[in-house]
Amino acid sequence: QVQLMQSVSEVRKPGASVKVSCKASGYTFTDFGISWIRQAPGQGLEWMGWISPYNGNANYAQKFQHRVTITTDTSTTTAYMELRSLRSDDTAVYYCARDVSSWGGRFDYWGQGTLVTVSS
Amino acid sequence: DIQMTQSPSALSASVGDRVTITCHASQDITNYLNWYQQKPGKAPRLLIYDASNLEPGVPSRFSGSGSGTDFTFTISSLQPEDFATYFCQHYDNVPFTFGPGTKVGIK
Repeated sequence: QVQLMQSVSEVRKPGASVKVSCKASGYTFTDFGISWIRQAPGQGLEWMGWISPYNGNANYAQKFQHRVTITTDTSTTTAYMELRSLRSDDTAVYYCARDVSSWGGRFDYWGQGTLVTVSS
Repeated sequence: DIQMTQSPSALSASVGDRVTITCHASQDITNYLNWYQQKPGKAPRLLIYDASNLEPGVPSRFSGSGSGTDFTFTISSLQPEDFATYFCQHYDNVPFTFGPGTKVGIK
């Protein structure tokens, strides 16, 4: 069965970076994209970016363009999301999701979420 | 960016009720519209894709319709496990954006 297993919660100080991992299993990793979506406490959902594990092509929301990098390691079927220059309003649960649309945007399986807390 | 709005933001209903949620896109997104269910502390679950297609394994009491800018999500007979928050989301172009959600509570 398809599973996306994310890394554990993280606490960072403002200005630091965080890298969240997402281990995929139960399907051919290079057949589908991975998107990252975040949800601030009590708030809605915000798409951050997408990557194709097949060729490494990535697409980011302009809001995060200069602070986020999404990568994959096909040898370990793991996707990563690194967010830099963290601010308190980056405190959120970060989800990875399998993306079955050929250009991104349809999320059929989700990881369990990783809480990132940014606090001094 | 395409803005997604939903109404109502919250509703109270009883088991067996028919529930309808609407979603409006700020520009034409053809049928590139998904619906998700989220329960507290859990990741969202995809229910409907391409405006009206039921995701495999999702009960048939869930349905969606619409195209262009206006979409509707319906639960034909609300079940106890359906009390949750529902989000629409477009994927016509990046950034993919979500509606603010509709919380379905118990009357």
